Order: sequence, then C-alpha cells, then structure tokens
Amino acid sequence: IAGITQAPTSQILAAGRRMTLRCTQDMRHNAMYWYRQDLGLGLRLIHYSNTAGTTGKGEVPDGYSVSRANTDDFPLTLASAVPSQTSVYFCASSFPRGRPPELGSYEQYFGPGTRLTVT
Amino acid sequence: GQNIDQPTEMTATEGAIVQINCTYQTSGFNGLFWYQQHAGEAPTFLSYNVLDGLEEKGRFSSFLSRSKGYSYLLLKELQMKDSASYLCAVRDGNYQLIWGAGTKLIIKP
Repeated sequence: IAGITQAPTSQILAAGRRMTLRCTQDMRHNAMYWYRQDLGLGLRLIHYSNTAGTTGKGEVPDGYSVSRANTDDFPLTLASAVPSQTSVYFCASSFPRGRPPELGSYEQYFGPGTRLTVT
Repeated sequence: GQNIDQPTEMTATEGAIVQINCTYQTSGFNGLFWYQQHAGEAPTFLSYNVLDGLEEKGRFSSFLSRSKGYSYLLLKELQMKDSASYLCAVRDGNYQLIWGAGTKLIIKP
C-alpha cells in the first residue's frame, strides 16, 4: 500500500443512515487520527488512537465512534448521519503521539480523504 | 482558549518571494508545523520548528520565535505549482496538534 488509504473516496448518504469510513496504513505507525475539514475552519480532530486497543476523543467527537483492533486499521463510524456531518474526512497517522519533540518531529501523514455529503 | 491565526488569502507573482505569517496562543508548546495542501488533496508535511530560528529546505524556509508566539513560512522563487493552502499547526503541552484555518496562496503569472 505504501502509506495511508481511505475508502470510499466520496459518498452521498441519506440522513439517519449508518456509515463507516475506512482507513488503513502500512507504515506501522502507532498513532492514528480522524479529522474533518470544513471551509474556513482548520482541521478538527474527531477521535484519535495512540496505539492499538486504545482510543480517545478529540475536539468534535459527538456522533462519531472509532475502534482500533490492530495497528493498521482505524475505521470511523457515523451511527446516524446528520447534514452537519457533511465534510471532508481525513485519516492520519504518526509515530507515538506523546513522545518528546527532541526525538523528532513525528509529523502526521494524511490519507487522501473521503468527501461525505449527508442529505 | 487556544488559537492560531494566519491570513485567509494571499496573492503573489511567479518568481517572487512570499512570507506567510502564523501567530499562536496555546497551552504549552512542543513544536510548530507547516503543511501544504493543494485543492482537493491531503495536507503534506513541509517543515517543523521546535527551537527559535530559521529552518531552510530548498526554496522553503520556516522561522520560529517562541517568545513572540510567531512563525512564518517563506517561499522563494515562486512557481505556479506553489498555489495551494498552507496550514500552520502547533503541538501544545498535551502533544495535541492545534490547526490554523490555513492561508490560500494564489500565484499569478
């Protein structure tokens, strides 16, 4: 795979439906993240995972859930989609999230994004 | 609250130099990142500053002043392909990334 992949690329979804956005990375990064990006706003963190088996809430977690069963996969689920969840969703990964900066930048690598429209 | 400010949009001419500023107020500081994002694509990492001073990478340089809560990204010898949004992000005291809204850079021939 060489990097991070996301699926689907785009989706139109009826309000009230359940949807899972998929994210897979092959870089053996411990930390993974889900962001949403809306016009005029910065990237906003939805959920994150520091390592397989653990997850945490970001800035805008309501209406979303995640799981991290293994190192490579980090799916994001919308249990019952609403129009305000129309956005571009990016998955990202990096080396350990809490490592001190003198050990490196540990920049985040992003997937290509999923454009979701909820009608 | 935590805040990152950068201009919404800038315009520059091909071959020229442009400086994109970023000011931040965060709870703690553990590094500042610049990312480039072309329209319809994912952000890609450009530079990282954790100590005061200038970091140079080819045509791109990034500067940091921690005491002033200020950074800039300097792009030299602008090319049309540099037309993109430039995102400033700060890693705060909890190692969480706080993102600015981005600066859209328009390059004119």
